[in-house]
Amino acid sequence: AQSVTQLDSQVPVFEEAPVELRCNYSSSVSVYLFWYVQYPNQGLQLLLKYLSGSTLVESINGFEAEFNKSQTSFHLRKPSVHISDTAEYFCAVTTNSGGSNYKLTFGKGTLLTVNP
Amino acid sequence: EAQVTQNPRYLITVTGKKLTVTCSQNMNHEYMSWYRQDPGLGLRQIYYSMNVEVTDKGDVPEGYKVSRKEKRNFPLILESPSPNQTSLYFCASSLIIGTGIREQYFGPGTRLTVT
Repeated sequence: AQSVTQLDSQVPVFEEAPVELRCNYSSSVSVYLFWYVQYPNQGLQLLLKYLSGSTLVESINGFEAEFNKSQTSFHLRKPSVHISDTAEYFCAVTTNSGGSNYKLTFGKGTLLTVNP
Repeated sequence: EAQVTQNPRYLITVTGKKLTVTCSQNMNHEYMSWYRQDPGLGLRQIYYSMNVEVTDKGDVPEGYKVSRKEKRNFPLILESPSPNQTSLYFCASSLIIGTGIREQYFGPGTRLTVT
C-alpha cells in the first residue's frame, strides 16, 4: 500500500517570496503523483501531475514539481507567490501496478497563506 | 462541459434518518470514488468503483453504502447517520488506463451535518 506525507501543515509566506511545499511518498511499485489545490470553500482542482517522462512538471500558473525517485519526493515550488495562491494544497499518489490497488491516497494537506 | 455533479450541496439531518447523496459524471469514466474531508486528516477514501456493479471499500467504509447501477452515477448512502459522519464529502471520477487510474476530477462537495 502507498502513503503520502506532507511535512508542513501550514506555510505562511509574504507576497512575491518563493515557496516550497514538501511531499514524500512511500510505495513499493511505480507511482503516479499529483498535486491538487483547494481554494477556500471550493472543491479540489488538479494543479499538476507526474505520470512518466520528464521528472519536472509545470502548471499553467507558475507552479512546478519535481519527481525524485531516489528521495521518494514530489515537492511543489513557485518562485514568486501571489495573494491569490492562498489555498490548501494536497499531494496524492497512486500506482500503476493494477490488481486491487486502484486507489488515490492523499496527504493531509498544506495550507499556504500568502500575506501582503 | 465535462463535470462531476453532487446533490445536495448542503444537508443538515438528524441521527438515524437515512439519506442519499447523489453523484453523476458526464465523462464516461470507469472509475468513481467517494471521499470525506475532515480538518487535519486530509481526504480519506470511503468507497470506490471500477465499473458498473463493481465496488470496493476504501479506508473508511463503516456506516456507508454505495451502488453503481449505471456508469455515470455513484450514490453514497448513509442508512443510519451519526454525528461522527458530519463532514465534507467529495465524489470523483477518473479514467482507467492499462493497470492504473489517472487524475481524478472532483465534484463541488456536499457539506453534511448530522445532529
